[in-house]
Amino acid sequence: QQQVKQSPQSLIVQKGGIPIINCAYENTAFDYFPWYQQFPGKGPALLIAIRPDVSEKKEGRFTISFNKSAKQFSLHIMDSQPGDSATYFCAASIGSSNTGKLIFGQGTTLQVKP
Amino acid sequence: KAGVTQTPRYLIKTRGQQVTLSCSPISGHRSVSWYQQTPGQGLQFLFEYFSETQRNKGNFPGRFSGRQFSNSRSEMNVSTLELGDSALYLCASSPPLFDYQETQYFGPGTRLLVL
Repeated sequence: QQQVKQSPQSLIVQKGGIPIINCAYENTAFDYFPWYQQFPGKGPALLIAIRPDVSEKKEGRFTISFNKSAKQFSLHIMDSQPGDSATYFCAASIGSSNTGKLIFGQGTTLQVKP
Repeated sequence: KAGVTQTPRYLIKTRGQQVTLSCSPISGHRSVSWYQQTPGQGLQFLFEYFSETQRNKGNFPGRFSGRQFSNSRSEMNVSTLELGDSALYLCASSPPLFDYQETQYFGPGTRLLVL
């Protein structure tokens, strides 16, 4: 019940395409859903985060869609660029408990071809 | 402000040895969490310290331990190293109060190789 399942494992798109990464969770106590971007040799960097009372959130070219009833959330990258090539992780936690325990998905390696 | 720093960045040890990794959080952050990242298991939560107390713990054996100092700097220790402990160990710090827009800033990690 603590798991977060992420798909696909890898993704290749052309420049300008819209890659979509999906995540699903079981624990209904989760109330904080961040996405992290990680480049080789670097630690994960917070990209965008959403709360379950919001169905969609946009920040620049990145959009999170959240479906509370289905317990699923997804990341869309609009007008993808080669510089977006990285590994993306979804995560979940019980944010209201103010603890640092994030449960991560397995990650999606995205390659954006020029 | 300066980000999360971790030392050393790379480390090679042999089986049976022990290792200590260090993490300095962002100034003003009092929560420090540790994660293990491997290709097979992904990112797994080890433990979290807040105000020098362990606040949360993941499912790792007792060989993995940590502590936090009064200046919020944290160390993690792995004793009796096993080959499977080879991983990237990441430290993350969080501000004192939970904020949906600002939480869990990660350091660059310490790459540990156990031979």
